[in-house]
Amino acid sequence: GAVVSQHPSWVICKSGTSVKIECRSLDFQATTMFWYRQFPKQSLMLMATSNEGSKATYEQGVEKDKFLINHASLTLSTLTVTSAHPEDSSFYICSASVWALSTDTQYFGPGTRLTVL
Amino acid sequence: GQQVMQIPQYQHVQEGEDFTTYCNSSTTLSNIQWYKQRPGGHPVFLIQLVKSGEVKKQKRLTFQFGEAKKNSSLHITATQTTDVGTYFCAGDKGGSEKLVFGKGTKLTVNP
Repeated sequence: GAVVSQHPSWVICKSGTSVKIECRSLDFQATTMFWYRQFPKQSLMLMATSNEGSKATYEQGVEKDKFLINHASLTLSTLTVTSAHPEDSSFYICSASVWALSTDTQYFGPGTRLTVL
Repeated sequence: GQQVMQIPQYQHVQEGEDFTTYCNSSTTLSNIQWYKQRPGGHPVFLIQLVKSGEVKKQKRLTFQFGEAKKNSSLHITATQTTDVGTYFCAGDKGGSEKLVFGKGTKLTVNP
């Protein structure tokens, strides 16, 4: 089956630094990649939708200048949390979508847990 | 590692028929969540179950959490074409463990 990886799986950083998270589709080319965040015991919240070669579409309330998304290829999307603060501590998960036969299937990565000190 | 198995992978029903998807975890869960993804859309959170044996209803949808907190089900009564989509369960082991998603059940409804 299709596999989506994320790196790193967890990261601890100091307040004010930037953190880059990679999302890769390992054995397929993803039409679209989604980025989510999840606070403890809460639901997954969509942050942005990313299509290869174009600008990401951010959900309402998500600061695009703070959460930079680059989708350079059909197998790689990156999320950079700039000038991270403790309130950015969360679980970030990506998913990759591929269109086939007029339907899409979404495969989730394992997630990245970010802790900002 | 923790695994969450979801069956069936696909389900095709006639409009008006019932539908059930099952989720089983290899380990005891802190809570389980259900998501629905419409074709072309992103997963949307439906509900979270926390208590052992818990049953929650949302209109025609009934969600159950097993007594051992290792399995869950989503049942839709009298399906409608608007129910079409993929239903994901996601198990939360609690603490600092990440959420583990099932692979989803894709539901199609024939009008």
